[in-house]
Amino acid sequence: EVQLLESGGGLIQPGGSLRLSCVASGFTFSSYAMSWVRQAPGKGLEWVSVTGGSGASTFHADSVKGRFTISRDNSKNTLYLQMSSLRAEDTAVYYCAKSQTWYSSDTNLDYWGQGILVTVSS
Amino acid sequence: QSVLTQPPSVSASPGQKVTISCSGSSSNIGNSYVSWYQQLPGTAPKLLIYDNNKRPSGIPDRFSGSKSGTSATLGITGLQTGDEADYYCGTWDISLNTGGVFGTGTKVTVL
Repeated sequence: EVQLLESGGGLIQPGGSLRLSCVASGFTFSSYAMSWVRQAPGKGLEWVSVTGGSGASTFHADSVKGRFTISRDNSKNTLYLQMSSLRAEDTAVYYCAKSQTWYSSDTNLDYWGQGILVTVSS
Repeated sequence: QSVLTQPPSVSASPGQKVTISCSGSSSNIGNSYVSWYQQLPGTAPKLLIYDNNKRPSGIPDRFSGSKSGTSATLGITGLQTGDEADYYCGTWDISLNTGGVFGTGTKVTVL
């Protein structure tokens, strides 16, 4: 059974940093692209970042470019999102999601974590 | 602001059909596969349709997808109260160099 378990969220002050983790199980982690998707309270989905199976290919939304970095450790079956210079508008539930293939351009997200809340506030 | 536009809401009575449009451009829908997601209240999104018109295992054939040019459509027939949810389209945008994009989302209400 595929499982994605996010951790690392919480309350953080504006300008602060936080690292989210997503531990995967039930599939060969290195064979699939992985994404972070967020949803601000009462708002729609926003694709934040995506990385291909090897981790060599990464993309970030303009809203987080230069502040967030997606990475993965295939030996630990873990996806990361390093967030810095956090702003109030980064407040959201962050989901980890798996693509159907290895390619970072594969936008078919077939499994999602339960999501973790990040609140940026003083 | 999303590059994919969906109607904010659609509604119909149980047993009827609804369609949800997703309008994009040649740099996204026109050049990439489209996926559709259902998000029930308080839960994570679930993949409903991938590669424009394919259903993952376990998704009933009441759900269908299609694509034409720079637009895509999700159809739901035999509407049920359990279908009341938010629906999002998603695809890759080759011009943005930022990765995937989602539609603005559509709330389906079963009257």
